Amino acid sequence: QKEVEQNSGPLSVPEGAIASLNCTYSDRGSQSFFWYRQYSGKSPELIMFIYSNGDKEDGRFTAQLNKASQYVSLLIRDSQPSDSATYLCAHFSGTYKYIFGTGTRLKVLA
Amino acid sequence: EAGVAQSPRYKIIEKRQSVAFWCNPISGHATLYWYQQILGQGPKLLIQFQNNGVVDDSQLPKDRFSAERLKGVDSTLKIQPAKLEDSAVYLCASSPFSAYEQYFGPGTRLTVT
Repeated sequence: QKEVEQNSGPLSVPEGAIASLNCTYSDRGSQSFFWYRQYSGKSPELIMFIYSNGDKEDGRFTAQLNKASQYVSLLIRDSQPSDSATYLCAHFSGTYKYIFGTGTRLKVLA
Repeated sequence: EAGVAQSPRYKIIEKRQSVAFWCNPISGHATLYWYQQILGQGPKLLIQFQNNGVVDDSQLPKDRFSAERLKGVDSTLKIQPAKLEDSAVYLCASSPFSAYEQYFGPGTRLTVT
């Protein structure tokens, strides 16, 4: 089992819709969780981080963490074509390692 | 606040040659990471420094890769000799502490021919 699993996509959503990106992880000792956005040919940039169970909102982005079920998700409301990118899930594991998933490619259709 | 700096941005070398990459983290960030990102994959951690000490280098191919962070600030990553499969983007990132969010530099795209 991979330590961090993401559907590679592409996930296609129409402009203005909600995009839902999911990530599961295997280490129950994981402490902190991150979502990064990576445009083609660019380096990853941090969008959200979440440490506690529940929801965390920042503008159009909401991160959701459920430690019991070992998943973290990212919702993007009112999706825009500029949101088209690869979204990387990462976590700081119980073994003190920072681990990235392979990313989900999002396409927002105008 | 200046971001993470990396150089060079692009490098093309032949297999069996050597290459070095440089990274200067955000001022005051204690933790520095080097990642290898192959096209279509997520970043793979090569080495993590906390100040000038190595925290994790379990995925660093030590027969050909080496890295140092003298004085706990900037860092260099070296490959010697390079193989075709080393073609990738090499990303440097820094964070205030190891469990915190990371900030990435622009990366170095390495092509080995």
